[in-house]
Amino acid sequence: GENVEQHPSTLSVQEGDSAVIKCTYSDSASNYFPWYKQELGKRPQLIIDIRSNVGEKKDQRIAVTLNKTAKHFSLHITETQPEDSAVYFCAASITGGGNKLTFGTGTQLKVEL
Amino acid sequence: GAGVSQSPRYKVAKRGQDVALRCDPISGHVSLFWYQQALGQGPEFLTYFQNEAQLDKSGLPSDRFFAERPEGSVSTLKIQRTQKEDSAVYLCASSSQGGGGTEAFFGQGTRLTVV
Repeated sequence: GENVEQHPSTLSVQEGDSAVIKCTYSDSASNYFPWYKQELGKRPQLIIDIRSNVGEKKDQRIAVTLNKTAKHFSLHITETQPEDSAVYFCAASITGGGNKLTFGTGTQLKVEL
Repeated sequence: GAGVSQSPRYKVAKRGQDVALRCDPISGHVSLFWYQQALGQGPEFLTYFQNEAQLDKSGLPSDRFFAERPEGSVSTLKIQRTQKEDSAVYLCASSSQGGGGTEAFFGQGTRLTVV
């Protein structure tokens, strides 16, 4: 089955700096890659997603890049703010193939003032 | 409208007790998923429904775990003879389409503690 690895497990940045979180996946059939943000004690919420027919997607301060050949994808957050502090999870799935999401182990992002 | 709702929010069970966790998905959502999230880990897939059909139950850890969605809306995850290793947050998610590749909306989860 699919295996998703995520790095780093913790990331501390100064407010205004950029943050990058990287994930790799094992199943070349995976074609949908969402990123979720989870604040302490709260539900995971989708922040951005990308499909395998696209190499990059951007939404304001957040961008995701996908390299299908290398089977890795990354989340980029620019101009970080304290409210960006949370745990971020990457995930991968195969549309039409059961649709279940396989998650990474999460990255605890801390944005310091 | 309301998001995905789960109840109870917290459940403490004595080892050996049976528990039932409820999920109310977003109205009209075709797909419903159950995930288990251990402390400090990512959610792990348990089972998937498309309407009332359980299409994938490959993630259920043992035959003590059972899920149903009899009318294609509300779902219940039942755990029989709970064990300490069952302690986790159980997340339900729903999405509008059956083909995948669409946003999965998560509930706030049920935190199960087995003592």
